[in-house]
Amino acid sequence: KNEVEQSPQNLTAQEGEFITINCSYSVGISALHWLQQHPGGGIVSLFMLSSGKKKHGRLIATINIQEKHSSLHITASHPRDSAVYICAVRFTGTASKLTFGTGTRLQVTL
Amino acid sequence: GEEVAQTPKHLVRGEGQKAKLYCAPIKGHSYVFWYQQVLKNEFKFLISFQNENVFDETGMPKERFSAKCLPNSPCSLEIQATKLEDSAVYFCASSPGLRRSGEKLFFGSGTQLSVL
Repeated sequence: KNEVEQSPQNLTAQEGEFITINCSYSVGISALHWLQQHPGGGIVSLFMLSSGKKKHGRLIATINIQEKHSSLHITASHPRDSAVYICAVRFTGTASKLTFGTGTRLQVTL
Repeated sequence: GEEVAQTPKHLVRGEGQKAKLYCAPIKGHSYVFWYQQVLKNEFKFLISFQNENVFDETGMPKERFSAKCLPNSPCSLEIQATKLEDSAVYFCASSPGLRRSGEKLFFGSGTQLSVL
């Protein structure tokens, strides 16, 4: 069965902390997306990965294809990073369908 | 335009009524996707288009749901005879492509459908 699991489900951090959110999937993929959903509901696509590592500002995303695992790191976290972070994958053999993880709710406090 | 525009923001329908949602993708993007978010964190893929052609409809409940992307018109998602379980936020997203790394999705702000 094609599944995507994220951990942790909820995460509270203090401003400045380094944060890691994990995503594991069950079978081979052609692409993995990291999405951020703001408290108001809007969704921003942070990264699309098929291999290696990407960095944008304080955000870093890595993927290990052999281990079927991806991580999203936030360095020097800030209260404005508070949001739900969602991992979504396109399994190999599917045309465009994304399968979503259940999200990680991040709260960064002062 | 430079953003994915979804209308309306909110839609209320009585059970059994029709609902029609609209999405204008970013100009130049070839792919359009519809997703349904039920409760807060359960996303379900519905359908995707490559320009005006259906690309992938594996997530579409075909009995009551239909979608179109016609040239020079916003894309639309229509639900005939809505049911209570159709209550959800419907997100549209567009993308310039699928294959190349870095082709992210751009999401609209969603349509909140409430079926009473």
